Amino acid sequence: DTGVSQDPRHKITKRGQNVTFRCDPISEHNRLYWYRQTLGQGPEFLTYFQNEAQLEKSRLLSDRFSAERPKGSFSTLEIQRTEQGDSAMYLCASSLASGVYGYTFGSGTRLTVV
Amino acid sequence: DAKTTQPNSMESNEEEPVHLPCNHSTISGTDYIHWYRQLPSQGPEYVIHGLTSNVNNRMASLAIAEDRKSSTLILHRATLRDAAVYYCILNGYAGGTSYGKLTFGQGTILTVHP
Repeated sequence: DTGVSQDPRHKITKRGQNVTFRCDPISEHNRLYWYRQTLGQGPEFLTYFQNEAQLEKSRLLSDRFSAERPKGSFSTLEIQRTEQGDSAMYLCASSLASGVYGYTFGSGTRLTVV
Repeated sequence: DAKTTQPNSMESNEEEPVHLPCNHSTISGTDYIHWYRQLPSQGPEYVIHGLTSNVNNRMASLAIAEDRKSSTLILHRATLRDAAVYYCILNGYAGGTSYGKLTFGQGTILTVHP
């Protein structure tokens, strides 16, 4: 297993366009998390799944954001009608529900909205 | 979420020990203390976590105060590759399951001088 994979690594999009990011977690991990990080700040929690179920969503996750994990494996994060304020690094992480061994993060997808 | 307080920045010289402090005076009995670090342009990386007893692994040691209101991450011999932002995070557990999200603060920026 090569860890948590995120695709793409970079995305430049025009304001108003929709974008979708993919995250492939460590296969044994039943929990998957999405975070957003802007320059100079710590990662901010967006949402997390346990298997297919989305267990928590942050108030940061506006109606333009949607996340899915249809088969309890990979996950997608879609942003509709992107705004310049959506420019950030989007990080995915996975873990066991027990939290043993900690949380493993991917390298992130850097989104730039122009 | 119980909060942690860390210094904004610290400096060290290469091959010297580094002690990174964290205060968490409102910690609850079921909160584990987690440490993550983030190197430039990468996602956060798990370092270590513990509940009450001091913990050691290949990366670092975690010293936890007897009252659990503070902890210290110890890097025994700093290298240039240890230059990163270090985050101290509390994560609650119940019934063998972690509560879910990690809530990141600002962290401590560690600079290592050659």
